[in-house]
Amino acid sequence: DAGVIQSPRHEVTEMGQEVTLRCKPISGHDYLFWYRQTMMRGLELLIYFNNNVPIDDSGMPEDRFSAKMPNASFSTLKIQPSEPRDSAVYFCASSSSLTGGLETQYFGPGTRLLVL
Amino acid sequence: AQSVAQPEDQVNVAEGNPLTVKCTYSVSGNPYLFWYVQYPNRGLQFLLKYITGDNLVKGSYGFEAEFNKSQTSFHLKKPSALVSDSALYFCAVRDSARNQGGKLIFGQGTELSVKP
Repeated sequence: DAGVIQSPRHEVTEMGQEVTLRCKPISGHDYLFWYRQTMMRGLELLIYFNNNVPIDDSGMPEDRFSAKMPNASFSTLKIQPSEPRDSAVYFCASSSSLTGGLETQYFGPGTRLLVL
Repeated sequence: AQSVAQPEDQVNVAEGNPLTVKCTYSVSGNPYLFWYVQYPNRGLQFLLKYITGDNLVKGSYGFEAEFNKSQTSFHLKKPSALVSDSALYFCAVRDSARNQGGKLIFGQGTELSVKP
């Protein structure tokens, strides 16, 4: 398996622009997580899905952030409009409740976002 | 409330010496405990976990961790450090008494530096 795939790996945009981050989880995994990592705040869970349904979005910072999972093999995290304080590394992770335990999360390589 | 603390921002060790990265936790029920490692410009990788059973858990790359219920600790250890172990290490916890799916609470991370 190719592991969790994220795109783009790097994104530079200007304040006010829309940003869309993409994630393909490991095939067969039923949980998907979006995290944000910054030096100041560390690793924060933004939202997670189970079987494509959002379970907990309490970590989504504000209405400018939205996430979707239209099917088992694809999820997006959208920021509209983007602000400089959104600059961070965004990770997607997936896990399986059937194999390995759903807390054993497999992380993608991350998307490094810079908002100017 | 659930929480996990990594009291050291950085740990410095000479190659060949034993290493310990500390972690303490707070949960209302029985804890599920995890260690993850993050190499530069990469996503987090699962190292090991404690769910139940033997208090000494062995994981990847020669790492092990000891669950101590009385001290609410789950320190990561390795008998002989390698330069290649230099990375950021995260402790994480989930409260088994709460139905939160795969949601983990991560610590702030400890930067391990192993010098030749």
